[in-house]
Amino acid sequence: AQSVTQLDSQVPVFEEAPVELRCNYSSSVSVYLFWYVQYPNQGLQLLLKYLSGSTLVKGINGFEAEFNKSQTSFHLRKPSVHISDTAEYFCAVSSYNFNKFYFGSGTKLNVKP
Amino acid sequence: EAGVAQSPRYKIIEKRQSVAFWCNPISGHATLYWYQQILGQGPKLLIQFQNNGVVDDSQLPKDRFSAERLKGVDSTLKIQPAKLEDSAVYLCASSPPAGRGEQYFGPGTRLTVT
Repeated sequence: AQSVTQLDSQVPVFEEAPVELRCNYSSSVSVYLFWYVQYPNQGLQLLLKYLSGSTLVKGINGFEAEFNKSQTSFHLRKPSVHISDTAEYFCAVSSYNFNKFYFGSGTKLNVKP
Repeated sequence: EAGVAQSPRYKIIEKRQSVAFWCNPISGHATLYWYQQILGQGPKLLIQFQNNGVVDDSQLPKDRFSAERLKGVDSTLKIQPAKLEDSAVYLCASSPPAGRGEQYFGPGTRLTVT
């Protein structure tokens, strides 16, 4: 079985500062990796995903994530955050046939002016 | 394109009562998921349908939870009888046939069991 650990439940950061949200996973088999975002009072939406190929994945709104197989990590980064990035971010892992999905507990990003 | 629709948005019931949630996925999406999200936790997959067949229900508490997807379109999730620990947001999501894991989520139904 797979599992996902998001090490930080909350991350406060000032506007225009860089941010990294950490995600580690455990699995005995190869997996696919995802980051979803949930803005206040909205449903979850996909930010980016890693299926294969380049380990650096770019997503919407200037976010990117790097897949590191040796460290079993998939950290999310943005070089300069905006107030509008305030949201909860979820890391998720699925099996190769997309039949099982496991989500982390989420990281609340709070961008301050 | 209309998104994933869920109803009701909110529901308050007493323990031991029954409740049902409805989900209408995006048109053409073959895969449908039901998740339970308890406050402070990430979504937990309860059941996954491919058309009207069950792909995975390993985390569905089958003694009290049931789900169906008749005709491979909309779906209902039922809890009977409800317990206090069932208080959560129930999320429905769908994926297109070649979505490669991308899920589109509905707004969720917030259930409070008193």
